[in-house]
Amino acid sequence: GENVEQHPSTLSVQEGDSAVIKCTYSDSASNYFPWYKQELGKRPQLIIDIRSNVGEKKDQRIAVTLNKTAKHFSLHITETQPEDSAVYFCAASMETGNQFYFGTGTSLTVIP
Amino acid sequence: SQTIHQWPATLVQPVGSPLSLECTVEGTSNPNLYWYRQAAGRGLQLLFYSVGIGQISSEVPQNLSASRPQDRQFILSSKKLLLSDSGFYLCAWSVRGGRNEQFFGPGTRLTVL
Repeated sequence: GENVEQHPSTLSVQEGDSAVIKCTYSDSASNYFPWYKQELGKRPQLIIDIRSNVGEKKDQRIAVTLNKTAKHFSLHITETQPEDSAVYFCAASMETGNQFYFGTGTSLTVIP
Repeated sequence: SQTIHQWPATLVQPVGSPLSLECTVEGTSNPNLYWYRQAAGRGLQLLFYSVGIGQISSEVPQNLSASRPQDRQFILSSKKLLLSDSGFYLCAWSVRGGRNEQFFGPGTRLTVL
C-alpha cells in the first residue's frame, strides 16, 4: 500500500518568514495530494490540493509543488502569521481507490 | 450544503466497557465514509472506510469494528475497550470515486481509564 512520510514533525518560524513542509510518497499510482490544516482541538480542513497533471499550485500565501518523478510534494507558506500556527497534514490518494493516506503531521508555530 | 455530525463529542469510559460512536452525513448520497484515530501528538490513522451500505474495509487489525447500516450512517464499535483506544476519533466523508476532498466531522475525544 501507499506510504506517506512527512517532515519535519515540528517547525518554528518567526512571523513574516516562510515555512516549508515536505512529504514523500511511495506509490506512483497516487495522483491527488491534499494538504489539511488542523487547529488545536478542531477538525482537519483542506487548505490546498494538487493533482498530478500540474507541478505547482498557488493560493495567496500558500503554494504546493509536486515532483512526480521524485515522488515528493511540498507545502510553502510565505509571510507567515500567528494564525498559521497549527498542525498540517499531507495526504496522497490513488487514482483507482477510495483511500487517503496521511502523513504524520507537522506542528507549525509562528512566533510573533 | 453537506454537513457531517459526530456524537458524542467527548466520552470517558472504563477499560473493558463497550463503545459506540456514531457519524451521520447530510446533504449528499452514496458518500465514501471513513473512521480515523488521532492519538495525542500523532497523525491520522485510517481505521475503516466504506464505499456503500454494509461494505467495510479495515486498515488496521484491532479490537474495533465498524458498520454502515444506512447510506449516510457510519458506526464505530468495540466490545471491550483498551487503554490504547484513547484518542481523538474523526469521521470523514468524500465523494465516491476518490481524488476528492475529505470532509471531517467535529470528532469524538475518547478517554479510556
